[in-house]
Amino acid sequence: DGGITQSPKYLFRKEGQNVTLSCEQNLNHDAMYWYRQDPGQGLRLIYYSQIVNDFQKGDIAEGYSVSREKKESFPLTVTSAQKNPTAFYLCASSPWAGRDSPLHFGNGTRLTVT
Amino acid sequence: QKEVEQNSGPLSVPEGAIASLNCTYSDRGSQSFFWYRQYSGKSPELIMFIYSNGDKEDGRFTAQLNKASQYVSLLIRDSQPSDSATYLCAVNNDMRFGAGTRLTVKP
Repeated sequence: DGGITQSPKYLFRKEGQNVTLSCEQNLNHDAMYWYRQDPGQGLRLIYYSQIVNDFQKGDIAEGYSVSREKKESFPLTVTSAQKNPTAFYLCASSPWAGRDSPLHFGNGTRLTVT
Repeated sequence: QKEVEQNSGPLSVPEGAIASLNCTYSDRGSQSFFWYRQYSGKSPELIMFIYSNGDKEDGRFTAQLNKASQYVSLLIRDSQPSDSATYLCAVNNDMRFGAGTRLTVKP
């Protein structure tokens, strides 16, 4: 079955440690996205990538980094510079990087930093 | 910054009623609009998208778009308890989402 796989589902880290969240898709989609969701809040865009080896910052990119070395993979690193990293992280993809392209979401990773 | 705004709710309707969810946007050049449903603790899933002014119907769901007034709405007819979720509006020019409206359908 085609889809987006995020792993792990739950992740716990100590403050000051970098952590990388995995996102893999086998939908052959060109565009991939990372969002953050805090309790009771909407989705905020962290980074997005429209094509391999290219990505752009979203609204809240500070303290995060990404790479897009393969079409299928778009890992997100939460660095120690992110002041409040505890949140629900959602990866999404879309068939093409166009304004009429709907998003397909993974199941998310809940990150807790203490 | 381009903005997408929704009433956060919660919106409560009785089973069988029509639920009306609204979304306004600031960028007059926006051309595509999406509604996603998110159950508690889960990831969003696409319900409907609309590109043209007017109504688009899919089963019990109707999306309404008015570009002149810069709003898009989602109507859910014959609401069911299983419709209880948060509904997110997205304007696809730049993948921004509204904060979502939490809907509760009471049996």
